[in-house]
Amino acid sequence: KQEVTQIPAALSVPEGENLVLNCSFTDSAIYNLQWFRQDPGKGLTSLLLIQSSQREQTSGRLNASLDKSSGRSTLYIAASQPGDSATYLCAVEGMYNTDKLIFGTGTRLQVFP
Amino acid sequence: NAGVMQNPRHLVRRRGQEARLRCSPVKGHSHVYWYRQLPEEGLKFMVYLQKENIIDESGMPKERFSAEFPKEGPSILRIQQVVRGDSAAYFCASSPGFPGRPGQGGDTQYFGPGTRLTVL
Repeated sequence: KQEVTQIPAALSVPEGENLVLNCSFTDSAIYNLQWFRQDPGKGLTSLLLIQSSQREQTSGRLNASLDKSSGRSTLYIAASQPGDSATYLCAVEGMYNTDKLIFGTGTRLQVFP
Repeated sequence: NAGVMQNPRHLVRRRGQEARLRCSPVKGHSHVYWYRQLPEEGLKFMVYLQKENIIDESGMPKERFSAEFPKEGPSILRIQQVVRGDSAAYFCASSPGFPGRPGQGGDTQYFGPGTRLTVL
């Protein structure tokens, strides 16, 4: 059974710092891995999607890497800003149980000025 | 080009009442997914539907919960005789789908804003 874990659960940093959020999963047979952002009381915004054949994806100040064999992904946020404050969720889609996303419990990020 | 719409955004019910949550997918999308986010927990898959078909309901509680996606109209998640433990945020997602080939994987899911259910 696939389990997704995110560390740390919460993170508070001053503006301008570079951050690394971690996601690990127990079953390496995945179709893809996706990082989402969730603002309080709001829905999910997809940030980056990495196919199983890819090693990383970049969008602006965000870079996500995927090491499928070790069951790990990291989300790197460069030059953090207060507007980055949100909960970041990672989710995997299993190779053999497709169309169902398995989510981690998230990392709650606060960036203070 | 509207995204996934969910209504109501907030729903308050007393124990024993019924809750109906609606989801209108992105125009042209034929696949709908429902997820539940309990307080302080991650999102958990509940059910995956195509028009008029339930493809995967492995995450649905066995009793009181049902879902449908009719040929016309929104998808409905129905919770009968609600209890306090049903209080959660319920998210709907939709995807274009591969006609006639459900469960093929890799189909990007677009999420709605969620319905926050509070059971008093």
